[in-house]
Formats: sequence, structure tokens, C-alpha cells
Amino acid sequence: KAGVTQTPRYLIKTRGQQVTLSCSPISGHRSVSWYQQTPGQGLQFLFEYFSETQRNKGNFPGRFSGRQFSNSRSEMNVSTLELGDSALYLCASSLVSRAAGYTFGSGTRLTVV
Amino acid sequence: DQQVKQNSPSLSVQEGRISILNCDYTNSMFDYFLWYKKYPAEGPTFLISISSIKDKNEDGRFTVFLNKSAKHLSLHIVPSQPGDSAVYFCAASANFESGGSYIPTFGRGTSLIVHP
Repeated sequence: KAGVTQTPRYLIKTRGQQVTLSCSPISGHRSVSWYQQTPGQGLQFLFEYFSETQRNKGNFPGRFSGRQFSNSRSEMNVSTLELGDSALYLCASSLVSRAAGYTFGSGTRLTVV
Repeated sequence: DQQVKQNSPSLSVQEGRISILNCDYTNSMFDYFLWYKKYPAEGPTFLISISSIKDKNEDGRFTVFLNKSAKHLSLHIVPSQPGDSAVYFCAASANFESGGSYIPTFGRGTSLIVHP
């Protein structure tokens, strides 16, 4: 079956711009979570969506937002980009059961210049 | 404040030997633990998990040990292979019914290099 698909794979933006990243989960997975990975910081949780509702939110500023559509596809948006937003953004989908673990996409590498 | 800590940023082992990756946690509400492996330019891949009701879980060459009293878990890879070279992330989550969050909290990762 198809895995988690993230687009685009790479992105270069200028400080102050905004960006939208997309994630298509595994078919049947209704939970989509977003993580930010920066060197030396591991994976930091941004937010989780389930059935089009934000169910959990991490400790990120309001410039980071997201949404989920009725087909479970999700987008995240970062407005007023800062240099420190340069990171790998990972999307993960999962079934309801925690035992299944997450299935991650390959990520979107965002570079802010 | 890091709730999941992987204190070794890197580990180097010889092919065929044992690799031991360590992880410590501080939140006593964590009751489910996972290990993920990540290759460059790919997303993390789920490797193995363990519930707090167990102290050991084995899957082929991979074994995870959990010491609840020490709030410590470790991943053993035996025998190590060059293809195991990757970044390994430890993650922990809590029981939602107990008031915790089931959202996994990740450590910063340990880069494992297995030399041929």
C-alpha cells in the first residue's frame, strides 16, 4: 500500500514569506501529526489532526498552523518565516491504536534564506 | 526540559558486535515506548516498541529492555550490520485515560555507525 506522501520534498523561501506543506496519509489512517526536526533537537511535535479537528498542539508560536481535510489529507502553514524555521518537517499518520506506531513520510526540507 | 533523553549523540561499533543504544525518561506517566530508525533523506521508520507491563521485547536482531524503576530503556542490536547505520530515536507516550498524552515525545537521537 502507498505510504505517507509529503510534498514538496525541498523548498527554499525568503524570510518573511509564508509556506504551505502537504501531507497525504496512508489510506485508512485518520490521525495526522506534524513534527519539526532540526539538527540536535530531535523531533518536536507541532500538532495532530484527527477527523478534521486539531486534537493536540505542541509548543510552537501561532505562525505555525495546520488543517485536515475530509479525505484526511493535511496541510501545515508557516507564516512570516524566520531563519530558525529552516528544518525538516515530518508528517506521520497512524491508526487509532498506539501499538501501531506512526508511519512517517520522507519529509519536506525547508530552507529559509 | 527534555522528558526523553538520549545522552549519546553517536555510537560506533564493529560489524557482528552488539550495539546498545540507551534512552532515559523523566515523566512517570509514560507507559509505552518506541524506537524508530532514520536514514538520511527518509522519514523515521518504526522499529520496535514495548509496553510498561513488560521488561523485554524481542524482534529478530532487535531487543528492547525496559527498567521502569530507573526510567531507562535500551535497544540492543545483535549482531550489528553495516545496514543498521542510521539515527535511532527513542520515543515515549502516556496513557490518555490516566490524563497523559498519547502523542509520542522523542529524544534527540543517536547516530549509529556500524563499521564493516
